[in-house]
Amino acid sequence: GENVEQHPSTLSVQEGDSAVIKCTYSDSASNYFPWYKQELGKRPQLIIDIRSNVGEKKDQRIAVTLNKTAKHFSLHITETQPEDSAVYFCAARYYGQNFVFGPGTRLSVLP
Amino acid sequence: SQTIHQWPATLVQPVGSPLSLECTVEGTSNPNLYWYRQAAGRGLQLLFYSVGIGQISSEVPQNLSASRPQDRQFILSSKKLLLSDSGFYLCAWSVAEIGFFGPGTRLTVL
Repeated sequence: GENVEQHPSTLSVQEGDSAVIKCTYSDSASNYFPWYKQELGKRPQLIIDIRSNVGEKKDQRIAVTLNKTAKHFSLHITETQPEDSAVYFCAARYYGQNFVFGPGTRLSVLP
Repeated sequence: SQTIHQWPATLVQPVGSPLSLECTVEGTSNPNLYWYRQAAGRGLQLLFYSVGIGQISSEVPQNLSASRPQDRQFILSSKKLLLSDSGFYLCAWSVAEIGFFGPGTRLTVL
């Protein structure tokens, strides 16, 4: 079955710097890759996603890139702000199958 | 638009007591439904998923069970809670590719 690894487990950046979180997946059949942000005590919220027929997607300060050959995808956050501090989860899914989540990355944006 | 409800929001239960958590989805038909558990500071553990009424798949054998009596209702139960059942329980739904989480139930077993 699918296995998703995520690095780093914790990440601290200065406000205004960029943050990058990387995930790798094992099943080449996976074709949908969402990213969720979970603030303390709250539910995970979908922030961006990418499908396997697209290499990159951008939404304001966040972007996701996908390398199908290498089976890895990354979340990029530019001009980080304190409100970006949260735990971020990546996931991989083949249509109709379950989401397989990475273990999460705790991002801290230092003022 | 679609919304997902969970209740209760918080729950404190003694060891050995029963449990019933409910999740309902509005604004969609025939969703896939999921129960996840998240221990403090940890990741998302898939407990159960359902593709339709009465169809439940278990990912982790334990003292929990799930039922789907109606298309948009998903219930998580236990006959006897253990200390290790404490955590943040999240119901989620998906239609096609995209998945969304409910607000969660924070369960503390004492």
